[in-house]
Amino acid sequence: EDQVTQSPEALRLQEGESSSLNCSYTVSGLRGLFWYRQDPGKGPEFLFTLYSAGEEKEKERLKATLTKKESFLHITAPKPEDSATYLCAVVLMFSGGYNKLIFGAGTRLAVHP
Amino acid sequence: EPEVTQTPSHQVTQMGQEVILRCVPISNHLYFYWYRQILGQKVEFLVSFYNNEISEKSEIFDDQFSVERPDGSNFTLKIRSTKLEDSAMYFCASSVSGSTDTQYFGPGTRLTVL
Repeated sequence: EDQVTQSPEALRLQEGESSSLNCSYTVSGLRGLFWYRQDPGKGPEFLFTLYSAGEEKEKERLKATLTKKESFLHITAPKPEDSATYLCAVVLMFSGGYNKLIFGAGTRLAVHP
Repeated sequence: EPEVTQTPSHQVTQMGQEVILRCVPISNHLYFYWYRQILGQKVEFLVSFYNNEISEKSEIFDDQFSVERPDGSNFTLKIRSTKLEDSAMYFCASSVSGSTDTQYFGPGTRLTVL
């Protein structure tokens, strides 16, 4: 069964305290992995797409990496405005080119001043 | 920057009533999706839609659900007879292509079934 697991469920950091979030997956043939940020009561906001093992993407204080079994979202020197739930999703492909996303449960990040 | 929009932001309905949730995808996107998120749970895929046809649907998307693109801009999700367990956030998403292209999400409609 295709599955996406994120850890930890919740993470509390002090401002400036760097850390990493994990997304592990068991899917039949990974075609892509997305990271989204979700604020309470809002829709997922796109952050990164990763397609192959070894790939890395960066945006401000965030850096996403991908291996054959997991992805990490590294947060360097976080600020309170980075507080949100971070979602990982893998792309499942179907014949005909259609796809759907399978989401993990997310990591709730709280950054305190 | 183009974005996906959804209306209404909050819909309250009585059990058994029909509801229609509306979405305007990004204008040059060709693939459209609905997802839902029950409070405190994962975002779950409901259906994908391309070229005026459903291309994939989940087991959640039963006969009570339907989707339609009634004109060149709107994409709708209809729930024929709502149940208490349909209470959730419903997100519309769109992408340029159906491969591994990024799906961009709308702000969601919170559906409350009483």
